[in-house]
Amino acid sequence: EDQVTQSPEALRLQEGESSSLNCSYTVSGLRGLFWYRQDPGKGPEFLFTLYSAGEEKEKERLKATLTKKESFLHITAPKPEDSATYLCAVHPRGGSNYKLTFGKGTLLTVNP
Amino acid sequence: DTAVSQTPKYLVTQMGNDKSIKCEQNLGHDTMYWYKQDSKKFLKIMFSYNNKELIINETVPNRFSPKSPDKAHLNLHINSLELGDSAVYFCASSQDAGSSQFFGPGTRLTVL
Repeated sequence: EDQVTQSPEALRLQEGESSSLNCSYTVSGLRGLFWYRQDPGKGPEFLFTLYSAGEEKEKERLKATLTKKESFLHITAPKPEDSATYLCAVHPRGGSNYKLTFGKGTLLTVNP
Repeated sequence: DTAVSQTPKYLVTQMGNDKSIKCEQNLGHDTMYWYKQDSKKFLKIMFSYNNKELIINETVPNRFSPKSPDKAHLNLHINSLELGDSAVYFCASSQDAGSSQFFGPGTRLTVL
């Protein structure tokens, strides 16, 4: 069965303190890995899709990387507005082509 | 313009009642989804429709019945509501299999 494990469950940073969030996955072949941001009371907002090991994508202070077993979301010099829950999801090869399996998320809090 | 919209945003009802949640997307996507997010924020797929055809039906009680009148709409009807149905329900859409999914704002269902 496909599994996605995110760590840590919660992370508290000071403004400007860079760090990384981890997403470990077990799938029978990876079609794609997705990162989402979710603010309280809102739906998940798409950030990145990664398709193959070694791939990297960046958006403002965020950079996502992918290996064969895990993905990292690096946050450089975070600001309080980066506070949110970050969700990772995998789209496996085979089985249902449409099903994403989500991790439980990392709640990031950035203090001013 | 809202890409994926849901109504209502909040729904409070008594046990045993029947209720519906509506979803509409104006992105021109072929695939739509219903997710349930529980109190621990875990996001789990319930159903998926592609071009009005049901393609994913996870282990969900048959009290839940999705209906897709056209590609832009996917509604969720719930019969005989139970306390355990209380959660946030998200609608999402994507262009095709493997594409990033775009989420609606969610419907918070509270069953008393």
